[in-house]
Amino acid sequence: AQSVTQLDSHVSVSEGTPVLLRCNYSSSYSPSLFWYVQHPNKGLQLLLKYTSAATLVKGINGFEAEFKKSETSFHLTKPSAHMSDAAEYFCVVSAGGTSYGKLTFGQGTILTVHP
Amino acid sequence: EPEVTQTPSHQVTQMGQEVILRCVPISNHLYFYWYRQILGQKVEFLVSFYNNEISEKSEIFDDQFSVERPDGSNFTLKIRSTKLEDSAMYFCASYRANEQFFGPGTRLTVL
Repeated sequence: AQSVTQLDSHVSVSEGTPVLLRCNYSSSYSPSLFWYVQHPNKGLQLLLKYTSAATLVKGINGFEAEFKKSETSFHLTKPSAHMSDAAEYFCVVSAGGTSYGKLTFGQGTILTVHP
Repeated sequence: EPEVTQTPSHQVTQMGQEVILRCVPISNHLYFYWYRQILGQKVEFLVSFYNNEISEKSEIFDDQFSVERPDGSNFTLKIRSTKLEDSAMYFCASYRANEQFFGPGTRLTVL
């Protein structure tokens, strides 16, 4: 079985400052991990994915995440927040280490960006 | 760029009525999924579908739920007799190349 814990339900940053959204996972297999973003009234969009290649993964819009097996973490970062980054972010793990398996979502982190 | 589409965007129904939620996955994808998100809760897996049959389902996906790919393009979720607790956002997804692509969702409201 797999699970995901997002450590913060809300994160608030000022525009231009770094973003850190924290995620810990549990998986019986070598996991496939993802970050998805959901803007208000929009669907879920993939930001980035880790599927056992490089541990530092770069995604869209300047986001990146680092897979740390020893810490069972997959935190999402961005050096400089933009107003358009305000959204809800989901850390996700895939069953059986395959990305076509069922996805298990974290509870989400709402990112607020202040001018 | 191809995308997953879902209709309707919002469905209101009375308790006990049947509803069908429709999805058109991306055309060359082979795996299909339904997820739901009750307001204020996590996104939850309902069912996955491959090679014209259910490959996995969650405990939520009981006899009231069914899925179908009737014509090679549409992928539907039917709820036979809706309950108040079925009110949620329902997302369809399809898979290719290490990514599940999600549709914009159908908001189902059961009164």
